[in-house]
Amino acid sequence: EAQVTQNPRYLITVTGKKLTVTCSQNMNHEYMSWYRQDPGLGLRQIYYSMNVEVTDKGDVPEGYKVSRKEKRNFPLILESPSPNQTSLYFCATRHGGTDTQYFGPGTRLTVL
Amino acid sequence: AQSVTQLDSQVPVFEEAPVELRCNYSSSVSVYLFWYVQYPNQGLQLLLKYLSGSTLVKGINGFEAEFNKSQTSFHLRKPSVHISDTAEYFCAVSAYGNKLVFGAGTILRVKS
Repeated sequence: EAQVTQNPRYLITVTGKKLTVTCSQNMNHEYMSWYRQDPGLGLRQIYYSMNVEVTDKGDVPEGYKVSRKEKRNFPLILESPSPNQTSLYFCATRHGGTDTQYFGPGTRLTVL
Repeated sequence: AQSVTQLDSQVPVFEEAPVELRCNYSSSVSVYLFWYVQYPNQGLQLLLKYLSGSTLVKGINGFEAEFNKSQTSFHLRKPSVHISDTAEYFCAVSAYGNKLVFGAGTILRVKS
């Protein structure tokens, strides 16, 4: 079954404690990206990756890092989380030759 | 750059009534257009998309949308809604297929 998985699904943490949210896909898609969803703002892109070892900033990259060492994985790293990073995070993937993105189930992060 | 405006933050409607969720976009280049649905506590699911060709696009669950280039609109319609259609709906645009730019979302509340 084609799927995008994210872990953890829910996380409560404290300011400054480094964390990683994982994203994994089994569709061999080249393109992966991270979005955050905030009420009244819709979804905004944080970072994206066109392929292994190729990443670039989206619209709201501040405070986040990513890596793409393998095609299937695209972790989102928060080195020093702050309360304004409390949000719902989605990973999305797309095959290089198509237009449709597939979304993971989301990770709800609370930073106290 | 692209932007998306969803004109209604909430749309209440009675069951079996028709509904239209409005979406306007701006872009200096040709774009692909999408509608996604997010049911409570779930991820995003693609409802329909417009890439080219016929301006009337049919999607899943009885939804359809019409692309109007002159009015830069992509309104979503359903002739008869069900309680199960209660969800948040997002309009999105993409130029070159990479980044999706989302609207703020419209919450559809179907009442019995």
